[in-house]
This record gives sequence, structure tokens and C-alpha cells, in this order.
Amino acid sequence: SAVISQKPSRDICQRGTSLTIQCQVDSQVTMMFWYRQQPGQSLTLIATANQGSEATYESGFVIDKFPISRPNLTFSTLTVSNMSPEDSSIYLCSVERAGDRKYGYTFGSGTRLTVV
Amino acid sequence: SQQGEEDPQALSIQEGENATMNCSYKTSINNLQWYRQNSGRGLVHLILIRSNEREKHSGRLRVTLDTSKKSSSLLITASRAADTASYFCATLEGGGNKLTFGTGTQLKVEL
Repeated sequence: SAVISQKPSRDICQRGTSLTIQCQVDSQVTMMFWYRQQPGQSLTLIATANQGSEATYESGFVIDKFPISRPNLTFSTLTVSNMSPEDSSIYLCSVERAGDRKYGYTFGSGTRLTVV
Repeated sequence: SQQGEEDPQALSIQEGENATMNCSYKTSINNLQWYRQNSGRGLVHLILIRSNEREKHSGRLRVTLDTSKKSSSLLITASRAADTASYFCATLEGGGNKLTFGTGTQLKVEL
């Protein structure tokens, strides 16, 4: 199954600034998924990132706020732009473990973001 | 929101006891998955049950699925302190590729 390296693991940022989170996968994958987990809450999908095309955003999330890059089949970045304290969350990337949907998804270890 | 519901929200048991968590969802699914999250870190996949399956076992885990009631349960037998974590169910809709997560259950296993 895929192994994901996500960084940074945590950061404390000033409001108004931006943070870019990186996910590197040890194998080629078609789709990568970005989630947000607000304090004490469940996971909410932000967007799906396909290589060579624009990311597909879920309702309530926009590209200007959460731009995503997917330059190749093993790497993606999520930027949290113009941050406010409400953006304080854990951000996670994820990929399918195998193409046939039998084995679930693999997640990165998460980025704990605090905006002050 | 299409997010599923889980109950209980929190569960505290003694080591050696069994823990049962329930999940309800709203749409037709391809499969349902259970994940564990330790202290706000990444999620670990535990078990997947397909829509045409009713029960599945993996070690100390037992999952049931009732598609007529749109519900699932996760049973952890002979719990250990190391099982302390948050547990989430997640559904994959037929033909889709996006997981929809439940609200989660916080399990605490005390020595």
C-alpha cells in the first residue's frame, strides 16, 4: 500500500499569511484528496486533485482560499491563503491504497495548523 | 450535509471489555470503512465492508452492515489501553471516489 509523507507536521502562523502543505506519495496515484478537520470535529473533504487538471472543490471551499497543485502523480500541495484563526485545523491528504477500492485509503500524518 | 452520524460520541470502558460503536449514513454506498485516529494525527484504515456483505472480521474487530437500515457497527473485543483513540466510519458512494466521514466516537480504555 502507498506511504505518504506529509509536511509540515505542525505550524503556528500569523493571520493574513499563507501556508503550503506538501504530500509526497511513494507510488503513482491518480487522485489525491485533501481534508480539513476542525477542532473536535470529523473530516471534511476540501478538494480532489488530479494530475494535469484543475482540482475539484467541494461546496464551501474555493480555489482562491485553498489553491492546490498537482505537478505529477506522486506529489501535491495545498495552500491555506490569507489565514484567519478560523483556519486553525488539522489538514490531511489521502490516496486510495489500491485501484480497485478493496483496501480503503491511506492518509498522511496530518498538519496541525494554528493561526494566531 | 451528507455526513453520517456515529454514536456514542464518547465511550469509556475498562481494559478487557468490549466496545461497540454505531454508524448511520444517508446514501446508497459501494462500501463502508472504519478508521482510527490517535490524538489528532493521521487516520489508519481498520476494515472495509462492501455493500453486499453483512459481517466481516479482522483480528479483534467485527463489523456489521445493514444496508436496509443504512447502519453499521464496529465491535472491538477484549479492548486494550492502546485502543484509546477516535474511531470514524466513512462511506464510499457507488460510482464515486470520495469518502464521507461520520462524526466519530472517542474511545477511552482505562487500565
